[in-house]
Amino acid sequence: EDQVTQSPEALRLQEGESSSLNCSYTVSGLRGLFWYRQDPGKGPEFLFTLYSAGEEKEKERLKATLTKKESFLHITAPKPEDSATYLCAVAGGGADGLTFGKGTHLIIQP
Amino acid sequence: DAGVTQSPTHLIKTRGQQVTLRCSPKSGHDTVSWYQQALGQGPQFIFQYYEEEERQRGNFPDRFSGHQFPNYSSELNVNALLLGDSALYLCASSLGAGTAYNEQFFGPGTRLTVL
Repeated sequence: EDQVTQSPEALRLQEGESSSLNCSYTVSGLRGLFWYRQDPGKGPEFLFTLYSAGEEKEKERLKATLTKKESFLHITAPKPEDSATYLCAVAGGGADGLTFGKGTHLIIQP
Repeated sequence: DAGVTQSPTHLIKTRGQQVTLRCSPKSGHDTVSWYQQALGQGPQFIFQYYEEEERQRGNFPDRFSGHQFPNYSSELNVNALLLGDSALYLCASSLGAGTAYNEQFFGPGTRLTVL
C-alpha cells in the first residue's frame, strides 16, 4: 500500500524567512510525485510533478526536489500570499488514483 | 480555457438520503477521478472513470457509484448517506489513462454536509 507522510503538520514563518517542507513516501513503482497548494475551502491547485530521483523544478519562490524516499518543497523568501496548505501525493505502479499526505499548513506572517 | 467545474457548491442532506454531484473536466481532458476530503485530511481516492467505465476504485463501499458521459463529464452518486460522508468532494481531470501518469487538475469541490 502506498503511503505519504508530510512534516511538519504546521509551520509558521516570518515574511522572508526561508524553509522546507518534507514529504516522505513508500510506493511500489513511482510513476509520479505531485505537489499541490490548497487554500481553505477550495480545490488543490497543481504546482509540480517530479518523476525521478534527482529531478528539480522551480516556480517563483518554490522549488521541489525528489530523492528515492522523499521530496522537499523549498520556499525562499516567502510572502503572506504563500500561506496555504501544501499537499504531496504519489502515483504508484498500477494505481489510477493519487495517494495524498495530510498536508503542511503554512502561515507566513508579515 | 475553462478549468474543472463542479456543481453544486454546497449541499445539505439528512442521513439515509441520496445525493448526486456533477463534474465537467478541463477542456481536452478525458479522464475524471473523484476524491473525498475530510476536514484536516488529504484527499482520498474514490474512483476513476475513463472511456465511460470505472477503471479503479479506492476503499469506498458500493454506496458510492459513478458515471461518465460521452462528453467526458461525470457524476458521483452516494446512497444511504451517513454522518461520516460529510466532506469536500473533489473532482480531478486528466488526459488519458495508462502507464504514463499525467497531472490531475482539481475542481473547486462540493461541500456536502449530512445532518
